[in-house]
Amino acid sequence: GIQVEQSPPDLILQEGANSTLRCNFSDSVNNLQWFHQNPWGQLINLFYIPSGTKQNGRLSATTVATERYSLLYISSSQTTDSGVYFCAVALNNNDMRFGAGTRLTVKP
Amino acid sequence: DTGVSQNPRHKITKRGQNVTFRCDPISEHNRLYWYRQTLGQGPEFLTYFQNEAQLEKSRLLSDRFSAERPKGSFSTLEIQRTEQGDSAMYLCASGGAQTYEQYFGPGTRLTVT
Repeated sequence: GIQVEQSPPDLILQEGANSTLRCNFSDSVNNLQWFHQNPWGQLINLFYIPSGTKQNGRLSATTVATERYSLLYISSSQTTDSGVYFCAVALNNNDMRFGAGTRLTVKP
Repeated sequence: DTGVSQNPRHKITKRGQNVTFRCDPISEHNRLYWYRQTLGQGPEFLTYFQNEAQLEKSRLLSDRFSAERPKGSFSTLEIQRTEQGDSAMYLCASGGAQTYEQYFGPGTRLTVT
């Protein structure tokens, strides 16, 4: 099956700093999503981005499908950005394969 | 669009008991997925429905697990003879016909004592 690797596994930032999270995947996909998991376990959809670039406020994402990676950028980080960020990929309607996540801690 | 809902949110049960969880997808979504997440890991796929048809089952779904979606709307996941290793967060997701995007519910956290 498709393998998904996320880096870094842990990231600690001061409030206001910028960061880049990376997701590498091993096979062709046509579904790639970035999620933020809040402390209660809810997975919040950040981006549906099988290819190209999208921006939403301080967050943006880029997927280069031909090179099998995606990047999530967080600018001017806030303490509320803390949590675990997951990348997940799938082919068609099949099950999503998740990476192990990046645990982000933003300190005030 | 009220989002995906799951009930109960928390369940504590004794080993050997049966438990059943419910998922209500976003109303117009025909795809429904169940995932399981253990502490420190990403979610892992369990099973997938398109309308009422169960199209895919993971090897994680042992004989003690059964899922149904009888009318193509809500779904139930039953675990029989629970074991301590079943303790996890059980997540439901749904998706529509326009894109492959999946939307997740808040999950049911199961603790088997």
